Amino acid sequence: KAGVTQTPRYLIKTRGQQVTLSCSPISGHRSVSWYQQTPGQGLQFLFEYFSETQRNKGNFPGRFSGRQFSNSRSEMNVSTLELGDSALYLCASSLALAEGEQFFGPGTRLTVL
Amino acid sequence: DQQVKQNSPSLSVQEGRISILNCDYTNSMFDYFLWYKKYPAEGPTFLISISSIKDKNEDGRFTVFLNKSAKHLSLHIVPSQPGDSAVYFCAASQGGKLIFGQGTELSVKP
Repeated sequence: KAGVTQTPRYLIKTRGQQVTLSCSPISGHRSVSWYQQTPGQGLQFLFEYFSETQRNKGNFPGRFSGRQFSNSRSEMNVSTLELGDSALYLCASSLALAEGEQFFGPGTRLTVL
Repeated sequence: DQQVKQNSPSLSVQEGRISILNCDYTNSMFDYFLWYKKYPAEGPTFLISISSIKDKNEDGRFTVFLNKSAKHLSLHIVPSQPGDSAVYFCAASQGGKLIFGQGTELSVKP
């Protein structure tokens, strides 16, 4: 079974631009979550989508948004990029259960200049 | 306010010996815990989990222990192998959201 895939793997943007990251979950998984990893803050939860609806949200500003499509694929968007948005963005998928293992993709490394 | 804490940023162990990684949490409402292993520039890899109704779960060389009264869990790796060298994260699950500790970098020396 194929794992979680994320595209692109690397991205360089400048301040003020916007970016869209994509995630394809494991086949049959209906929940997709997004996390941000930075050296200073560690791994932090952004949001979770299930059946095209945001089910859970972390403490990030409204510049961070996401969506999920009917095939469970998900995108996350960051608008008006700031230098501090430079991070590894990780997507994880899981079955429908609220509690359960989440399986992570390789991440997208975003660098904001 | 960090709800999940891994107080040891690094741990060095000799090959063949036991590695013990520790994790503390503050929220008694957490009822599911997980351990992940992570290499640089890769996503975390799920290792093992435990529900709060249990105090131990084993999977091969990996055993997780949960002490609810102390709000403490630990991951034991026996025997440790050089390939186990990585950063290990504990996480608590709260309604589908994972709250991670800061990680412990394990180095297993041959």
